[in-house]
Amino acid sequence: GENVEQHPSTLSVQEGDSAVIKCTYSDSASNYFPWYKQELGKGSQLIIDIRSNVGEKKDQRIAVTLNKTAKHFSLHITETQPEDSAVYFCAASYDKFYFGSGTKLNVKP
Amino acid sequence: KAGVTQTPRYLIKTRGQQVTLSCSPISGHRSVSWYQQTPGQGLQFLFEYFSETQRNKGNFPGRFSGRQFSNSRSEMNVSTLELGDSALYLCASSLFSGGTGEQFFGPGTRLTVL
Repeated sequence: GENVEQHPSTLSVQEGDSAVIKCTYSDSASNYFPWYKQELGKGSQLIIDIRSNVGEKKDQRIAVTLNKTAKHFSLHITETQPEDSAVYFCAASYDKFYFGSGTKLNVKP
Repeated sequence: KAGVTQTPRYLIKTRGQQVTLSCSPISGHRSVSWYQQTPGQGLQFLFEYFSETQRNKGNFPGRFSGRQFSNSRSEMNVSTLELGDSALYLCASSLFSGGTGEQFFGPGTRLTVL
């Protein structure tokens, strides 16, 4: 089955800096790659997603890039703010979702 | 539109007991997936139900089971609880089955096994 690895497990940045979280996947059949933000007591919310026919997608301060050949995809957050502090999960799917182990992002004011 | 709801939010049980967790999906969603989240392990897929049928299953022992009702509400049951079952259990609803569309997560049920 699919195996998704996510790095780093923790990331601390200064407010205004950029943050990058990377994921790799193993199964070339995976064709949908969402990113979720998990905040305590609020559940997990989809923040951006990308499908395998696209190399990059951007939504304001958040962008995702996908390299199908290398089987990796990354989340980029620019101009980070304290409210970006949360746990972020990547996932890859074709028949079901396979999640990475999560990255705890801490944005210091 | 109401989001995904899960009850109860917190549970404390002892080893050997059984537990039932409930999930109500977003209105109109027929797919409900269950995940176990533990520190450092991320979300591990348990199973997915779509229109009352189990569509997919993860690598968990038979102590973990589920079902879905005609109104799409789903329950997950864990029998003969073990200490290692302590985790956050998340359910997610979706319009489509099989990992093809956006999933909407509930807040989770925090299960502690003593």
